[in-house]
Amino acid sequence: GQNIDQPTEMTATEGAIVQINCTYQTSGFNGLFWYQQHAGEAPTFLSYNVLDGLEEKGRFSSFLSRSKGYSYLLLKELQMKDSASYLCAVRPFYGGSQGNLIFGKGTKLSVKP
Amino acid sequence: DADVTQTPRNRITKTGKRIMLECSQTKGHDRMYWYRQDPGLGLRLIYYSFDVKDINKGEISDGYSVSRQAQAKFSLSLESAIPNQTALYFCATSDPTSGKYQETQYFGPGTRLLVL
Repeated sequence: GQNIDQPTEMTATEGAIVQINCTYQTSGFNGLFWYQQHAGEAPTFLSYNVLDGLEEKGRFSSFLSRSKGYSYLLLKELQMKDSASYLCAVRPFYGGSQGNLIFGKGTKLSVKP
Repeated sequence: DADVTQTPRNRITKTGKRIMLECSQTKGHDRMYWYRQDPGLGLRLIYYSFDVKDINKGEISDGYSVSRQAQAKFSLSLESAIPNQTALYFCATSDPTSGKYQETQYFGPGTRLLVL
């Protein structure tokens, strides 16, 4: 079966660094996405990893280890507006129905002053 | 203007009623998707369409149907609504020819549906 696990909730302090982990077991692997979703709003794309290593985009970084079936999203210099859910999604294959994304249940991050 | 729009944004209906949720996009993407999101369950795929003539069932298609009227329009229908279809519904689009961020999905603002 296909399975994606991420913590349900996390709390962090404004200005700090937080790491949100995602582990996956899928029938194949052709890319991992991170999305941010504020309450009641649409998910918005944050990052994409298909090769092992770190991808950095400003305050946000995402890491992938394909051999471990593991990714994390790192948020630096946390701001109150970073309070949101963070969704991890995996594409098992590229093309056809197997190219559809499988989403984790999301991690709700609360940033405290 | 938003690239992916959904109408209505909120809808309350009664059990047994037929309703339609509409999605339009100006991104020029061939691929479109319908998801529902429930607390604690994440996003689940209902139907997807790779082009106007290619429509496929997703993980949870029972009780739903779709219509792809044009490249830019993809509608979701609940033939006879039931309370457990109460959820937040999202439309999304993607472009299989996109570059580095291969086939990122872009989401509409969502439709909040309550079935009484």
